[in-house]
Amino acid sequence: DAKTTQPPSMDCAEGRAANLPCNHSTISGNEYVYWYRQIHSQGPQYIIHGLKNNETNEMASLIITEDRKSSTLILPHATLRDTAVYYCIVRSRTTSGTYKYIFGTGTRLKVLA
Amino acid sequence: DSGVTQTPKHLITATGQRVTLRCSPRSGDLSVYWYQQSLDQGLQFLIQYYNGEERAKGNILERFSAQQFPDLHSELNLSSLELGDSALYFCASSVEGTSNEQFFGPGTRLTVL
Repeated sequence: DAKTTQPPSMDCAEGRAANLPCNHSTISGNEYVYWYRQIHSQGPQYIIHGLKNNETNEMASLIITEDRKSSTLILPHATLRDTAVYYCIVRSRTTSGTYKYIFGTGTRLKVLA
Repeated sequence: DSGVTQTPKHLITATGQRVTLRCSPRSGDLSVYWYQQSLDQGLQFLIQYYNGEERAKGNILERFSAQQFPDLHSELNLSSLELGDSALYFCASSVEGTSNEQFFGPGTRLTVL
């Protein structure tokens, strides 16, 4: 299973862009990168995912390097409500053909007023 | 609100006891996943069911078992409880496919005294 490496914590000023890096150097060609966040002890919330191309939705942008060994989640205008633990996940295929997530320890993002 | 429900919200019990956690997936989702999150730890994948059948196993102890019923709700049974089993237990559901975003429930907080 591909593993991910993230910095344990980051600070970001409110209104600025938050750039959260993730290393997944052992990713396979057909494995997707997913990002989730967890606010306090709530259930994780889906943010975005991608395979090769950069992706953007209403919450964030995902930049994946050409070799796919790393990616960056960008929150364009961070607010205090974006304070959370952000998980970068490589979705792996199981032997039965379904998919599973392997969560790492995530990055604790603190947005500062 | 993700559409995934979990009961109970909180559970306090003693060592050696057995408990059952319940999860109802989003309408239409056939896959159910169980995760354990101990204090200050990331999420550990336990087990996945798809349409009533076990599909993938993670770090699930032999004292733990799960099942998915014909109405697609799932139960996680934890027996011979130990202090170290105290954790948040999350259920997630998804449709299977190339981009199976997982929707997480609010979790059950288990405290073993």
